Amino acid sequence: SQQGEEDPQALSIQEGENATMNCSYKTSINNLQWYRQNSGRGLVHLILIRSNEREKHSGRLRVTLDTSKKSSSLLITASRAADTASYFCATDATGGGSNYKLTFGKGTLLTVNP
Amino acid sequence: DSGVTQTPKHLITATGQRVTLRCSPRSGDLSVYWYQQSLDQGLQFLIQYYNGEERAKGNILERFSAQQFPDLHSELNLSSLELGDSALYFCASSAYRGRLTNTEAFFGQGTRLTVV
Repeated sequence: SQQGEEDPQALSIQEGENATMNCSYKTSINNLQWYRQNSGRGLVHLILIRSNEREKHSGRLRVTLDTSKKSSSLLITASRAADTASYFCATDATGGGSNYKLTFGKGTLLTVNP
Repeated sequence: DSGVTQTPKHLITATGQRVTLRCSPRSGDLSVYWYQQSLDQGLQFLIQYYNGEERAKGNILERFSAQQFPDLHSELNLSSLELGDSALYFCASSAYRGRLTNTEAFFGQGTRLTVV
């Protein structure tokens, strides 16, 4: 089963608006990451937030993490048509040592209309 | 360009056949991961290798196997292929070396496998 679950599954907005996507997960994590995927292409890393951080910014991206609720949100401000993509949250499921399994949710499909 | 190279980009093969997907990680990355992405299952973690050794296993079928070679490139072997194996297969690499390392994964462009 997926560790992270994104919500909503799909989001359609107008250019210039903000887009907010949420992610919930089940077990304790070391960090949570957000990735972006354009249709049929590889995933691209956007931002990583550690479990001891509550908020992080990168350009037009703002990520929050609430470990007590096991949830995170990704906010994209002033969206552009080029932001149209699927967005995934990923959590690590470390088994110690050099084990490192990134588990992805099913993603949110964001459509930004010009 | 993520620095992770996957070949081939597309593969069409018949049921029952065997194929090998290849991945070259970013220079210096010791960890390689394989993922399968299909419409109904989403992005599923298959297996992780670290410096040549298997380290973590996910939802990988017994018909599938992988290895990482001394030069750190990796291959995913899929055998006795079924129609349901049609999917995008991604390889990713990271500089992850230990539990306290927080690091991102870099993905290749994937191999689209179609089983007919």
